[in-house]
Amino acid sequence: NAGVTQTPKFQVLKTGQSMTLQCAQDMNHEYMSWYRQDPGMGLRLIHYSVGAGITDQGEVPNGYNVSRSTTEDFPLRLLSAAPSQTSVYFCASSYRATGELFFGEGSRLTVL
Amino acid sequence: KNEVEQSPQNLTAQEGEFITINCSYSVGISALHWLQQHPGGGIVSLFMLSSGKKKHGRLIATINIQEKHSSLHITASHPRDSAVYICAVWASGSRLTFGEGTQLTVNP
Repeated sequence: NAGVTQTPKFQVLKTGQSMTLQCAQDMNHEYMSWYRQDPGMGLRLIHYSVGAGITDQGEVPNGYNVSRSTTEDFPLRLLSAAPSQTSVYFCASSYRATGELFFGEGSRLTVL
Repeated sequence: KNEVEQSPQNLTAQEGEFITINCSYSVGISALHWLQQHPGGGIVSLFMLSSGKKKHGRLIATINIQEKHSSLHITASHPRDSAVYICAVWASGSRLTFGEGTQLTVNP
């Protein structure tokens, strides 16, 4: 199994540009989530989904958009990138909410 | 005050020492995770606990639901154990809340 696959691993954007971070899992997990990790802040939940067609906001959703059209994929969209969105992003999945977590390798995003 | 507090923030040990990292939380939870993150690396789940104790190799995790406290122990520590250890709890709904992590350095 590939587990959780995140792409790209690195990305540099200019302020105002848009991009999508991709996350895919092949474990038939219902629960998927996006986090950002910043120095001194720990991991913070951006958005999550408990199944296809269902998404909800986390702790820091502003500036990010998600959709869940299939069980496998949970892309994170930055509509107009800002320097404050410079961070490392992790996607994670689990069989169900409150289950064992599997993380992607992370995506390092720099917004200039 | 954060819902999940870890201590210590930083820990330096000599190879072979017994290590304890603590996690306290202030909300009711359904489960607690201990995660490991190596420098520049991804995040790996070490344990998921809802009660009692779990052991995997040299790692032991315990949880006391009544006291809202969990500990991660590493026996016979090794330099390859150097990493950030993160406590996370499934609290309300489907949201995971994280501690800020404990940076562990094990010197040879």
